[in-house]
Amino acid sequence: GESVGLHLPTLSVQEGDNSIINCAYSNSASDYFIWYKQESGKGPQFIIDIRSNMDKRQGQRVTVLLNKTVKHLSLQIAATQPGDSAVYFCAENIGNNFNKFYFGSGTKLNVKP
Amino acid sequence: NAGVMQNPRHLVRRRGQEARLRCSPMKGHSHVYWYRQLPEEGLKFMVYLQKENIIDESGMPKERFSAEFPKEGPSILRIQQVVRGDSAAYFCASSRPQGGDEKLFFGSGTQLSVL
Repeated sequence: GESVGLHLPTLSVQEGDNSIINCAYSNSASDYFIWYKQESGKGPQFIIDIRSNMDKRQGQRVTVLLNKTVKHLSLQIAATQPGDSAVYFCAENIGNNFNKFYFGSGTKLNVKP
Repeated sequence: NAGVMQNPRHLVRRRGQEARLRCSPMKGHSHVYWYRQLPEEGLKFMVYLQKENIIDESGMPKERFSAEFPKEGPSILRIQQVVRGDSAAYFCASSRPQGGDEKLFFGSGTQLSVL
């Protein structure tokens, strides 16, 4: 069954502010995590990933933090733009489960101009 | 550089009819996954296939649903005798063989509506 959940279903931020989207997972054996962005009517789009041997990974304007102690994952978006408005999902993969990912229910990010 | 291609984008069926959803993976990808998404919910894993093999179908209902990924041609998700509860968005994803890039790349989905 699903083991990924999100703390906030909806997040509204002002354009230019930083956004933080949180995700909790329950399976301590999960070793690979991906954040996806899904715009209305489209498929999920890969944003950034992180493996369990890392605590932090940075991309362009995005940073993913992994706290294995409390089984928590976060996505930070710097200088949020209107184009960032979407639903964001975290997905976890257990290493011995091939590429079967479990998705959380998502957080909707609204960026106010 | 075509991504994962799904068709049709929208499919309308009456109760009792059959629905066929197609998915062509990205070039170089030999692994295909089907996910189902209800409104305001996350994606639920259904099935994972490699060419001519079903690797994991633990998320797929035992009846009416089947999937294949033939040696030639797209992967097909088939739903027989559809019911209203089958209405959802069905997403296909593909990835490279294990040991390479494990990221899943998704298609734009097929929105199935059962009348």
